[in-house]
Amino acid sequence: GENVEQHPSTLSVQEGDSAVIKCTYSDSASNYFPWYKQELGKGPQLIIDIRSNVGEKKDQRIAVTLNKTAKHFSLHITETQPEDSAVYFCAATHSGYSTLTFGKGTMLLVSP
Amino acid sequence: NAGVTQTPKFRVLKTGQSMTLLCAQDMNHEYMYWYRQDPGMGLRLIHYSVGEGTTAKGEVPDGYNVSRLKKQNFLLGLESAAPSQTSVYFCASSYPLTSGINYWYEQYFGPGTRLTVT
Repeated sequence: GENVEQHPSTLSVQEGDSAVIKCTYSDSASNYFPWYKQELGKGPQLIIDIRSNVGEKKDQRIAVTLNKTAKHFSLHITETQPEDSAVYFCAATHSGYSTLTFGKGTMLLVSP
Repeated sequence: NAGVTQTPKFRVLKTGQSMTLLCAQDMNHEYMYWYRQDPGMGLRLIHYSVGEGTTAKGEVPDGYNVSRLKKQNFLLGLESAAPSQTSVYFCASSYPLTSGINYWYEQYFGPGTRLTVT
């Protein structure tokens, strides 16, 4: 089955800096890669996803890149703000599968 | 729309007691899931359902049972709680996104239930 590794487990940045979280996956058939943000005391919320037919997708300050050859994908957050502080999860699956395989999460701390 | 709701928000059980966690969704989604979240372990799938009356095992199903009698509800049961089941439990529901011949399932999560077993 699929295995997703996520790094780093914690990441501390200053407000305004960029943050990058990386994930690798094992199943070369995977072609859907969502990212979830979990604020303290809440459930995970989908923030962006990428499908294997594109290499990059942007939405305001967040972007996700995908390298299918190397089987890794990354979340990039620019101009970080304190409200970006949360736990971020990556996940992977492939077309037709109703379940996701999650990474273990990254706790992002943005200091003012 | 309320989205995905979970009842209760908090619960403390003694070892050996039983309880049922309720998940409800008002988005008419076919698929529903139960996860547990433990520190450093991420989200692990317990059981899921692909439609009313169906259930399937996930990654960590032992010690749990589920039922999907109505499309909008997915129940998670603990028959004899153990301290190892102390965790935060999340329910999710999903619908298919299609792109040509491909389709994926975008999951929406509830707010969670914090369960402590002493």
